[in-house]
Amino acid sequence: GAVVSQHPSWVICKSGTSVKIECRSLDFQATTMFWYRQFPKQSLMLMATSNEGSKATYEQGVEKDKFLINHASLTLSTLTVTSAHPEDSSFYICSARVGGSNTDTQYFGPGTRLTVL
Amino acid sequence: GQNIDQPTEMTATEGAIVQINCTYQTSGFNGLFWYQQHAGEAPTFLSYNVLDGLEEKGRFSSFLSRSKGYSYLLLKELQMKDSASYLCAVNSGYSTLTFGKGTMLLVSP
Repeated sequence: GAVVSQHPSWVICKSGTSVKIECRSLDFQATTMFWYRQFPKQSLMLMATSNEGSKATYEQGVEKDKFLINHASLTLSTLTVTSAHPEDSSFYICSARVGGSNTDTQYFGPGTRLTVL
Repeated sequence: GQNIDQPTEMTATEGAIVQINCTYQTSGFNGLFWYQQHAGEAPTFLSYNVLDGLEEKGRFSSFLSRSKGYSYLLLKELQMKDSASYLCAVNSGYSTLTFGKGTMLLVSP
């Protein structure tokens, strides 16, 4: 149980285009999902917390107009990188929290590697 | 602010025991997680500690001392497949996790 999927697993795009990444909880409902970014040899950095049916909460320094998050259902959250630039190239990972408690475990998707040319 | 420290790299031999330490200073504490991450893959959950003491799960054990802001992950009977990055993460409240930079463990024959 507690499987999280992401699509696509990798994407290459031109500078200035937008890219949408999907995160799905396959066998459970997730009221809260999280989006992280990880640069090579760096730790995971939380970008935003996504709550079903409400606006995402962004971490300091993350542009909400550039990284659009939509959590339309209890099993799907999407991250859209708008007007992507080479510095946005990174490994984007989502996680979903099982259960409704703050101490519940987060399970991670397999990640999406974005390369912006 | 939040600060989580763990060694950058460690090496060990197949069959041996290795202990990966993690110290933290966070504004709140709601539990500590250990994750394993192979290169190019997402982290996978290993353990969770919220109370002081040792939690054992097969070859892996995790210890927590809240008063010292300290945890360790103990890996026994090391296997080659254990070569990975091990991430210490603290839930400092409101379910957000703050991750350390990870400890790259290399297991040699």
